[in-house]
Amino acid sequence: QKEVEQNSGPLSVPEGAIASLNCTYSDRGSQSFFWYRQYSGKSPELIMFIYSNGDKEDGRFTAQLNKASQYVSLLIRDSQPSDSATYLCAVNTGVGQGGKLIFGQGTELSVKP
Amino acid sequence: DAGITQSPRHKVTETGTPVTLRCHQTENHRYMYWYRQDPGHGLRLIHYSYGVKDTDKGEVSDGYSVSRSKTEDFLLTLESATSSQTSVYFCAIRGQDRGTDTQYFGPGTRLTVL
Repeated sequence: QKEVEQNSGPLSVPEGAIASLNCTYSDRGSQSFFWYRQYSGKSPELIMFIYSNGDKEDGRFTAQLNKASQYVSLLIRDSQPSDSATYLCAVNTGVGQGGKLIFGQGTELSVKP
Repeated sequence: DAGITQSPRHKVTETGTPVTLRCHQTENHRYMYWYRQDPGHGLRLIHYSYGVKDTDKGEVSDGYSVSRSKTEDFLLTLESATSSQTSVYFCAIRGQDRGTDTQYFGPGTRLTVL
């Protein structure tokens, strides 16, 4: 059973701080990794993806991937109350899998003013 | 929003009744997916389609069937709804973002089975 694990939270950080969200996965054949943000009552929206070891930055967001340790993380710098949402980690387990994604259970982030 | 709509957006039904949810896309994407989302479980794949009349099961397919007779429509049917199928259902399409395959989601359908 391929698994993706996240701490469910809630993770609470003060406004302006760095929020760090973590995700581990079980399938070493996994090839690409995604972070989705989901506001309460809304659908998931893609915020970042990464497929190479190391860091990838996009504005206030940085995704980090370590395939040897099988973890992927998302850092949110200068956190804002509008970042309060559930963050879903998803993993594409590779070619021939129909583009299927395996999702973690999500981490709820709360940014306090 | 990747041109995805879902209908109905909300539905309340009774145990044992059939229910069909519709996903409609306007951008001719080949792959479409149905997920359910429950507290503590994240998103779980029910079925997916890789073309007209081509479908396959996901991890939680029991009690569900799908059909795709046109590229733009992917239907999810609960033949005899049970209370355990109370959930939020999301449809997704497979698209491309800077050369990487990814998925984009519709607005969701909240289904309550009494």
